Amino acid sequence: SQTIHQWPATLVQPVGSPLSLECTVEGTSNPNLYWYRQAAGRGLQLLFYSVGIGQISSEVPQNLSASRPQDRQFILSSKKLLLSDSGFYLCAWGLVGTVYGYTFGSGTRLTVV
Amino acid sequence: KNQVEQSPQSLIILEGKNCTLQCNYTVSPFSNLRWYKQDTGRGPVSLTIMTFSENTKSNGRYTATLDADTKQSSLHITASQLSDSASYICVVSSPSGYSTLTFGKGTMLLVSP
Repeated sequence: SQTIHQWPATLVQPVGSPLSLECTVEGTSNPNLYWYRQAAGRGLQLLFYSVGIGQISSEVPQNLSASRPQDRQFILSSKKLLLSDSGFYLCAWGLVGTVYGYTFGSGTRLTVV
Repeated sequence: KNQVEQSPQSLIILEGKNCTLQCNYTVSPFSNLRWYKQDTGRGPVSLTIMTFSENTKSNGRYTATLDADTKQSSLHITASQLSDSASYICVVSSPSGYSTLTFGKGTMLLVSP
């Protein structure tokens, strides 16, 4: 069965510090991978998606970047965090052409102080 | 513009009672509609997935309906339990492209003892 792992669960970082959130998927090959941010009362916002190794598409211009060094690994990064980067970050995977997938990770609560 | 509107925004019910959550969408073309349950501080978990040919789908005490003609869906929760307290998110998928999920903002359900 497919599983998705996301860590850390919570993170408190000072403004200007770097960020690295990691997401890995097991039990599937060549998944589409997604990073979402969820703000209270605003729903889920797609930040990045990737259809393969090294292939990243950005949906919203921002202070963040994403990388996919391996087929089942997706990393969300920032060189210098801003206060506005605080939020709940979710990784998800999906398979093109299927009804299923779009399974979410457990999320990371990022607080920038 | 693709949109998913959910109502009510929040709901409080007594334990053991039934409730129905609504989802209206304007997403086109349509592939499938999903209902997710998201506990506070956790990632969303899939409850049901329905394609355009499916009118109803059940998962335990959760029953989702879909009217593709009117572009409406509902999630009915029977005999509510305290553990049903969560945010319920309606997500509509389009068949083309890779970032084709449109999310509702969710309904926050609180089941009170």
